Amino acid sequence: DAGVIQSPRHEVTEMGQEVTLRCKPISGHDYLFWYRQTMMRGLELLIYFNNNVPIDDSGMPEDRFSAKMPNASFSTLKIQPSEPRDSAVYFCASSLGQLHLIYGYTFGSGTRLTVV
Amino acid sequence: GQSLEQPSEVTAVEGAIVQINCTYQTSGFYGLSWYQQHDGGAPTFLSYNALDGLEETGRFSSFLSRSDSYGYLLLQELQMKDSASYFCAVRSGGYQKVTFGTGTKLQVIP
Repeated sequence: DAGVIQSPRHEVTEMGQEVTLRCKPISGHDYLFWYRQTMMRGLELLIYFNNNVPIDDSGMPEDRFSAKMPNASFSTLKIQPSEPRDSAVYFCASSLGQLHLIYGYTFGSGTRLTVV
Repeated sequence: GQSLEQPSEVTAVEGAIVQINCTYQTSGFYGLSWYQQHDGGAPTFLSYNALDGLEETGRFSSFLSRSDSYGYLLLQELQMKDSASYFCAVRSGGYQKVTFGTGTKLQVIP
């Protein structure tokens, strides 16, 4: 199993540009999560999906952020327009139903976003 | 809301034992998890406690006291590779919603 795959690994963009982060969850996992990690705020849950349906997006900081999951094997997190304060590491994670209680989430390697 | 408290940093000697504590305040508590994250890496799952008591997995053990809203991660026979950040996380406020603590940076010294 290739694990959770995120792309790109690093992204440097100018303020005001659109940024799209991509995630491929583990095949068969029915939950997908987007987290953001910064030194100041730690790991924050942005949004999660169950069977491709967004369940809770209360962590999405503002309307500039949007996430989609068009099918079971792909999700995107988009920031438009980007701002310097969006600079962070963005992690995607997936899990299989209630088994996350025993096996936890599987995280991708993350995308380090720098907005200049 | 949820809040979790962990020490920000801990230093321990190679071969020794270290305990990383976590206290939490939350509603609808379902369980406490621990994750390890090396610098530049992704968090990886270590353990999960739903019931009071100690769970042992090799050199790592995790403890939970629901009545005290408290748990800890115990690392034995410390190795240099154990130098990493350790996060406690609670599942609450939603069946799959997991909130992470701010993390404890463990430095293992020779």
